[in-house]
Amino acid sequence: DQQVKQNSPSLSVQEGRISILNCDYTNSMFDYFLWYKKYPAEGPTFLISISSIKDKNEDGRFTVFLNKSAKHLSLHIVPSQPGDSAVYFCAASAYSGGSNYKLTFGKGTLLTVNP
Amino acid sequence: DVKVTQSSRYLVKRTGEKVFLECVQDMDHENMFWYRQDPGLGLRLIYFSYDVKMKEKGDIPEGYSVSREKKERFSLILESASTNQTSMYLCASIEPKPRGRNGYTFGSGTRLTVV
Repeated sequence: DQQVKQNSPSLSVQEGRISILNCDYTNSMFDYFLWYKKYPAEGPTFLISISSIKDKNEDGRFTVFLNKSAKHLSLHIVPSQPGDSAVYFCAASAYSGGSNYKLTFGKGTLLTVNP
Repeated sequence: DVKVTQSSRYLVKRTGEKVFLECVQDMDHENMFWYRQDPGLGLRLIYFSYDVKMKEKGDIPEGYSVSREKKERFSLILESASTNQTSMYLCASIEPKPRGRNGYTFGSGTRLTVV
């Protein structure tokens, strides 16, 4: 059972336009969400995160929106740049107490930004 | 910055070989993880460890084992490599408090090909 879903395997946008990547989750215990970016032959790198007590977090060109009632989050990139072309993973966690901490990942969305 | 180092970027092994993938982190993190990444399947958790000599199975542990003799080192072992274990292997670590707000730090990955 996939708890974090990224239903779009790929997305193509023009340079300068907005990129919107979507993520849905099913586990209502998730309370912290993250986006990672991954280039080929490299490990994923942290991009932006949001706690469930917020509905928006912004960092430069990147904004994450969280709709808890819909169990949906999205990543907006404005303006998109060719260097943003990568696979983007959505991830979520549920606090289980103590020092245990584990992320559940979506399958990823390949973003291509065309010059 | 935390550094997670995977000993090999590329490996080619023969079917039936015993394969060791090494991962070292330099920030005294308790939590360490091994994932594999495959196209269309995203990041799948193989094993994780919350402390020295402690390990837990992830979602796809079959055909793998792990070793954590020292806090900084987490090794993934393919007992008898098979072609379906050809994949990108990613190691990650995270600080437990304050719940690792930036999530995992990943290594650069090991691209393993089993022939």
